[in-house]
Amino acid sequence: ILNVEQSPQSLHVQEGDSTNFTCSFPSSNFYALHWYRWETAKSPEALFVMTLNGDEKKKGRISATLNTKEGYSYLYIKGSQPEDSATYLCALISGGYNKLIFGAGTRLAVHP
Amino acid sequence: DAGITQSPRHKVTETGTPVTLRCHQTENHRYMYWYRQDPGHGLRLIHYSYGVKDTDKGEVSDGYSVSRSKTEDFLLTLESATSSQTSVYFCAISESIRGTPLHFGNGTRLTVT
Repeated sequence: ILNVEQSPQSLHVQEGDSTNFTCSFPSSNFYALHWYRWETAKSPEALFVMTLNGDEKKKGRISATLNTKEGYSYLYIKGSQPEDSATYLCALISGGYNKLIFGAGTRLAVHP
Repeated sequence: DAGITQSPRHKVTETGTPVTLRCHQTENHRYMYWYRQDPGHGLRLIHYSYGVKDTDKGEVSDGYSVSRSKTEDFLLTLESATSSQTSVYFCAISESIRGTPLHFGNGTRLTVT
């Protein structure tokens, strides 16, 4: 079973702060990495799908980078807003399988 | 929203009874997944399907079985429910997860008493 680790577990920031979290994974047999945003009492929503080493994706104030050789991805939020409060999940596909394995998530709370 | 419906939305059942959760999609996507939400673990994969009658185990498959007899339906069965299976269950679909994201259903909250 793949080991997908996310850090930190939780984060509290003030409105306007920029923040980032990490997703770490085994670098061997990498196939794709997904990022999702998950608000309380809702379903996860996709942010990015990343497949190539060096990939950088951006969606509004949120961006992500990928380093498959060293096995990590960073998610950045610029100028955090209270509506960014959510759990951010990364998920990995490895090898020849179609299993998408999630990390435990980083819970972000943005305070006004 | 992707056309994906989970039923029932809420279910309370007793220990030892069988339970079947249904996931129905109208997108004709090949891949379908069942996850459970557990505190401290995020989402854990139970089973997934990569085509009609093609299924495989995930991380936490013990006590669960699945069936996919049609593209649009993916059923999750708890053969004999236990209290440890109390959770929120999410179904997700994808056209091709290596390049496209998962789309999730609204979840089924299952309580086993």
